[in-house]
Amino acid sequence: DGGITQSPKYLFRKEGQNVTLSCEQNLNHDAMYWYRQDPGQGLRLIYYSQIVNDFQKGDIAEGYSVSREKKESFPLTVTSAQKNPTAFYLCASSTRITGVGGEEQYFGPGTRLTVT
Amino acid sequence: DAKTTQPPSMDCAEGRAANLPCNHSTISGNEYVYWYRQIHSQGPQYIIHGLKNNETNEMASLIITEDRKSSTLILPHATLRDTAVYYCIVRPPGRNYQLIWGAGTKLIIKP
Repeated sequence: DGGITQSPKYLFRKEGQNVTLSCEQNLNHDAMYWYRQDPGQGLRLIYYSQIVNDFQKGDIAEGYSVSREKKESFPLTVTSAQKNPTAFYLCASSTRITGVGGEEQYFGPGTRLTVT
Repeated sequence: DAKTTQPPSMDCAEGRAANLPCNHSTISGNEYVYWYRQIHSQGPQYIIHGLKNNETNEMASLIITEDRKSSTLILPHATLRDTAVYYCIVRPPGRNYQLIWGAGTKLIIKP
């Protein structure tokens, strides 16, 4: 079955440590996204990528970094510079970014990161 | 970019139609209306989208008013599995990355 996988589902880290969240898709989608969700709120865009070796900052990119070396993979690193890293992190993909309609986003199950 | 307004919560009896309203009074003529839902602690799921005309798929119907300032998502026969947070989003064309997510409507289906 095609879809998006994120691992792990739960992640615990000590403050000051960098941590990398995995996101893999086998939908053959060009575009991929990372979102952050805090309790009771909607999603906020961290980074997005239209194509391999290209990515753009979203609304809340500070303290995060990404890479896109392969079409199917878009890992997110939460660095020690991120002041409030505890959150639910969601990865998504779509066929493209610049379509004129459709291009709905498909989401992974999310990773819940807790930093103490 | 247009923003949306949704009620924070709604109840609906199982088997009845659930009608979820959304106001987007500042929407531009070429902006799409999208609906997603998020079941607790899972990733959001796409439901439906539309521009001007009403739309229907196997999950739901989307009714957009003629002036496009509001829309209603209809789940025709709600089940307990439809309990979720429903997000109404307005998206500019050509910018699929620019989905502005509000807090959504928490829909609770009651037996």
